[in-house]
Amino acid sequence: KQEVTQIPAALSVPEGENLVLNCSFTDSAIYNLQWFRQDPGKGLTSLLLIQSSQREQTSGRLNASLDKSSGRSTLYIAASQPGDSATYLCAVVEGSARQLTFGSGTQLTVLP
Amino acid sequence: DGGITQSPKYLFRKEGQNVTLSCEQNLNHDAMYWYRQDPGQGLRLIYYSQIVNDFQKGDIAEGYSVSREKKESFPLTVTSAQKNPTAFYLCASNTGTYGYTFGSGTRLTVV
Repeated sequence: KQEVTQIPAALSVPEGENLVLNCSFTDSAIYNLQWFRQDPGKGLTSLLLIQSSQREQTSGRLNASLDKSSGRSTLYIAASQPGDSATYLCAVVEGSARQLTFGSGTQLTVLP
Repeated sequence: DGGITQSPKYLFRKEGQNVTLSCEQNLNHDAMYWYRQDPGQGLRLIYYSQIVNDFQKGDIAEGYSVSREKKESFPLTVTSAQKNPTAFYLCASNTGTYGYTFGSGTRLTVV
């Protein structure tokens, strides 16, 4: 059974810092990996989708990488801002149903 | 704008009562999903549907039921058999090319 782990569980940084969130998964037979952002009491907002054949994706200040063979993905956030404060969730897509298996998330706080 | 609409945003259930959560999408996606989110446990799959008139149980289907009579709609019923229904419920749809899109969620509380 797939297990997705996110480290750290919580992170607090001063504004302007570059930071890395880590995600690992135990079964490399995935279709793709998706990073989401969740604000308190809200739904999930998709940040980046990496297909299994890809190594990385970029959107603005965000860059996500995928190393399927080692079961790892990282989300890099450049020049962090207080508005980046949220919980970041990593999820892998697998199986005939293309279902998501989530990590428990990293709660990020960016201090002004 | 295309997206997923969930309603209501907040729902209160009395003991022994069935309640239905609505999920509508205008993305023309075939696959739709229901997830439950509890603090400290992440998101878990309840039911999914890959095509109209067909649906499958996920990891925690007991005490829930669904229907998929239209491509756009995938309602979730929380039955009285679900003993611990207080949670945040998220509906999603998926296309392989663009990934998952989620709704804004329904928070269900037992009173």
